[in-house]
Amino acid sequence: GDSVTQMEGPVTLSEEAFLTINCTYTATGYPSLFWYVQYPGEGLQLLLKATKADDKGSNKGFEATYRKETTSFHLEKGSVQVSDSAVYFCALSDRNNDMRFGAGTRLTVKP
Amino acid sequence: GAGVSQSPSNKVTEKGKDVELRCDPISGHTALYWYRQSLGQGLEFLIYFQGNSAPDKSGLPSDRFSAERTGGSVSTLTIQRTQQEDSAVYLCASSFLQGLSSYNEQFFGPGTRLTVL
Repeated sequence: GDSVTQMEGPVTLSEEAFLTINCTYTATGYPSLFWYVQYPGEGLQLLLKATKADDKGSNKGFEATYRKETTSFHLEKGSVQVSDSAVYFCALSDRNNDMRFGAGTRLTVKP
Repeated sequence: GAGVSQSPSNKVTEKGKDVELRCDPISGHTALYWYRQSLGQGLEFLIYFQGNSAPDKSGLPSDRFSAERTGGSVSTLTIQRTQQEDSAVYLCASSFLQGLSSYNEQFFGPGTRLTVL
């Protein structure tokens, strides 16, 4: 079945460092891809999305490009802030409308 | 408008008791999802409703778990004879599905933290 594999954490960075969180997927069809974020003490919220190959999702300085050839959707940010400390989840949704999430990657940004 | 709401926010119960968790989706959302998030783990898909029917029940961990949705709105997740391994945060999400589109943005509730003693 469809699945998502994402980089294991935790990840600890200094403020203004470059961030990459890897995500790869397995799917039989053409899924939509998502990154969700869970800030401390809060619920999950959508960070960005891409619905077809080569689409780039972006929000709050984060970007991810839907790469069909490498079945990847890596999350990147050029300069992280302390306020970006959270757990990040990669996810996919297929035509069956199921959503499959990765295990989550905890990011801690130190001042 | 109001987001997805869940109740209770916290539930502590004794092993062997039954519990019922409630989810109120965003008004007009056709699909509703239940997930479980155990400490330090990712999200485990439990069940999904389209309207009042559940096309995919594959994630329910055992026959102690059941869920229903009535009126295309509120859903309840019931866990019978709770065990300590059922302790987790149970998350509900809703979305507005558009035909066969795979675009499926889900909006999450704050979760119910269940502790089984």
